[in-house]
Amino acid sequence: RKEVEQDPGPFNVPEGATVAFNCTYSNSASQSFFWYRQDCRKEPKLLMSVYSSGNEDGRFTAQLNRASQYISLLIRDSKLSDSATYLCVVNSGRYGGSQGNLIFGKGTKLSVKP
Amino acid sequence: NAGVTQTPKFRILKIGQSMTLQCTQDMNHNYMYWYRQDPGMGLKLIYYSVGAGITDKGEVPNGYNVSRSTTEDFPLRLELAAPSQTSVYFCASSYSWDRATEAFFGQGTRLTVV
Repeated sequence: RKEVEQDPGPFNVPEGATVAFNCTYSNSASQSFFWYRQDCRKEPKLLMSVYSSGNEDGRFTAQLNRASQYISLLIRDSKLSDSATYLCVVNSGRYGGSQGNLIFGKGTKLSVKP
Repeated sequence: NAGVTQTPKFRILKIGQSMTLQCTQDMNHNYMYWYRQDPGMGLKLIYYSVGAGITDKGEVPNGYNVSRSTTEDFPLRLELAAPSQTSVYFCASSYSWDRATEAFFGQGTRLTVV
C-alpha cells in the first residue's frame, strides 16, 4: 500500500457543483495532515490543515478519520478559480528517513467548467 | 515577504554539463528540502537538511549533491546532467519537522536536459 493515495482524477465539474476528494494514508503514526493546492506550472501552496474535529474555511471543509486513516476535502459551490491540482499531504510521523517528514500524494486534478 | 527564492526559473542543459540550482529562504527555517516533480508522478524528495551543516538523502538522491553552509541557503548541484533529470525542481522550507506546520515552496526551476 502506498503511503498516501488519492483519487486518480481528473474531476471535471460545472460551476456551482460540490466536489469531494478522498485520501488514505498507511502510517498510523502520522499526526499532521494537510491539503495543498497546486496551480498549473506553479508551486504547491497550503490550502488548509486538517484537524481531528474537522475544519471549515469558507467553501472548503476538511475531515479526518483516524480509525480508517482517511482524509477528505469537500469543495462547495465550486468556482472556475478552484481549477487546480489538490495534493493530500501527511506528516511521516518519524524522524529522518528517505521520505523526509512530509509525504505527498500524487494529487487530483480538478477542472471547473462554466 | 520574499519567502523561498529559487534561481534560475528555467534552464536548458546539455548532457554531461553541470549546474547549481540556488535556493534561499528568509524565514529563519531550520528545515529545507529539494523535491523534483515529474508529470503525473507527484513530488519526490531528493535531499533535505535539518539545519546548517546537516544534510541527508531523500528518496531520489542519485546524480545530485547539496550543501548547507548557512541557515538561509540550500543549493542543489547536478554534476553530470542526464536526460532523466529533466524535471521541475522545487525547494521548500519549514519551521518544524513534526508539528502541524506548513512547508513553503519556491516557484520552481524547470530544467530540460538535451
